[in-house]
Amino acid sequence: GESVGLHLPTLSVQEGDNSIINCAYSNSASDYFIWYKQESGKGPQFIIDIRSNMDKRQGQRVTVLLNKTVKHLSLQIAATQPGDSAVYFCAENLQKNGQNFVFGPGTRLSVLP
Amino acid sequence: EPEVTQTPSHQVTQMGQEVILRCVPISNHLYFYWYRQILGQKVEFLVSFYNNEISEKSEIFDDQFSVERPDGSNFTLKIRSTKLEDSAMYFCASSVLGGDGEQFFGPGTRLTVL
Repeated sequence: GESVGLHLPTLSVQEGDNSIINCAYSNSASDYFIWYKQESGKGPQFIIDIRSNMDKRQGQRVTVLLNKTVKHLSLQIAATQPGDSAVYFCAENLQKNGQNFVFGPGTRLSVLP
Repeated sequence: EPEVTQTPSHQVTQMGQEVILRCVPISNHLYFYWYRQILGQKVEFLVSFYNNEISEKSEIFDDQFSVERPDGSNFTLKIRSTKLEDSAMYFCASSVLGGDGEQFFGPGTRLTVL
């Protein structure tokens, strides 16, 4: 079946650098996407979302880019901090206004001092 | 700040036993969810619940699973006859809106089936 996947399982960046985490999705009908952060021992935490009628959305230090042509989603974190170290995964909503999200396997971000 | 809570944090059970995982969603939220995450694997949607009934469920959510909102605050997931492969982290989440609404996750219950 169709699923969400990630290009990079691990990413190490220097503190202060920008991070880019990628996600490929295969369901062209998906219309809503979320990036989550999961710290060790905790539940997923919503970071930012984007609808399919947009190609970019910005939050505080984070930007999500959506390229529907190649079915690619990315999360950019500006000035990465030690507290950003976590697993990041994307999720797609397979059905408009549905609640059944398909999650990617995750990318572990390690911030080096 | 309001948060979703889950109890217990860790549940150990014997194969074939029934378990009930408990969640207290954020009080003004209307949509409730259960997810599971097998160790080292991705988060998987199990079920969503709105207006006292299941609104969506995945293929994982078979007849062994049931959910209930027994009162105005608790939301439970019951597994009737646990199997070894049910061992996982189970996350409860809640949201004000369904679909595109931000979901707030609890800390999870680690279920270990022996």
